[in-house]
Formats: sequence, C-alpha cells, structure tokens
Amino acid sequence: NAGVTQTPKFRILKIGQSMTLQCTQDMNHNYMYWYRQDPGMGLKLIYYSVGAGITDKGEVPNGYNVSRSTTEDFPLRLELAAPSQTSVYFCASSLSTGNEKLFFGSGTQLSVL
Amino acid sequence: DAKTTQPPSMDCAEGRAANLPCNHSTISGNEYVYWYRQIHSQGPQYIIHGLKNNETNEMASLIITEDRKSSTLILPHATLRDTAVYYCIVAPSSNTGKLIFGQGTTLQVKP
Repeated sequence: NAGVTQTPKFRILKIGQSMTLQCTQDMNHNYMYWYRQDPGMGLKLIYYSVGAGITDKGEVPNGYNVSRSTTEDFPLRLELAAPSQTSVYFCASSLSTGNEKLFFGSGTQLSVL
Repeated sequence: DAKTTQPPSMDCAEGRAANLPCNHSTISGNEYVYWYRQIHSQGPQYIIHGLKNNETNEMASLIITEDRKSSTLILPHATLRDTAVYYCIVAPSSNTGKLIFGQGTTLQVKP
C-alpha cells in the first residue's frame, strides 16, 4: 500500500493563476480531508468528503473547490490564487466510520507570489 | 466542539519518559481523545486514542482522568526521533470524523 499520495510536492504560482492539488489513496477509505498549515500554526480543515459524490466545507473553504468522483481521488482546486493561500496542504483519509485514525499524505508546499 | 489546552513546549531527556498533558474540560460524553504528532515537514501521524479507559499501544500510553477533563500522553522511553509537535484533539460529536488540530505541544528530546 502506498497510503495517501499527494502531488506535486512543491509549486509556485503567480497571483490569479489556478491549479489542482492531487490526492489519491489506495486503502479504500470512504473519508477524505484537505487541511492547510500555515507556518508555525496547527492544521485547518478546508474541505472533507464522506464518500464519492459527497463533499462538505470545513473551517476555511473560501477560495477552494473540491470534487470526489471516485473513492480513491479527492483533488483540491484553487481557482484564483492569492498570497494568503501560501501554505502547506495536507490530504488525509480515514475509515468509513469517521472517528478513526487519519492517514496523512506528505504534503504540498505552495507559494503564491 | 470541545476544545483542548496544551503547553506550547516541553523538553525531555533522551531515554526518559515524556509526559504530555492536555486539558479538555468541556468534553462531551461521546467524544474521544486523539493524539497525533507531526515531525518537521511531514504529515501528522496518528499515535493513540481513547474514550475513558487508559490505552496503550506500541507507540505510547494514554491516561484519561476519571472525570475525562484531562489526559496525559506518555512516551515511555523518548528518543531523539520523538522530537515533534504533539496534538491533543477531541473528536467532534458528529459522525463526519473531521478532526480539528490546534497548535499542539512542541516536544524537544535532548541527548
């Protein structure tokens, strides 16, 4: 099992550009999450999904969109990148009950200049 | 959602036990206590979780007070590789399973 795989590992965007952060898991987990972590801070939940076709907002959803067409994939879309979105982004997954341990990817470091 | 309070930083000598406290005085009866850690630049790693009984696994022990208002994570023999930020999290009462991470405790294990 590869676990949770995120791509790319690093990316630099110009203000106003768009991009998609990819996340895939091979553990057949129903629950998937996107978090962001600003320097020296804890993680903040952006969006989460409880299964294919179902997504919901977390604490800080503004400026992001997600989709969940398959169990394995949960991409995060930035439509108009802003400097405030400079952060490290982590994708995670967990078993179907939800209150289980989360498995995290290694993160994507994004800079918007 | 219940909130947690952790000291911002702690030191521990290598080979000694590291005891990391967490206060969660507003915890609800059906909320679990979870512990994660984050080694520099990596994604968080699950350590242990519990409801009201003490728990132990290959990584750590979790001691929850009888009134469930606080808990302690114990790393029995800390090594330099245990240097990390440790997060104490109380799970939301809903079934979505989303976990809210605070700022955690930075544990520095020193030789």
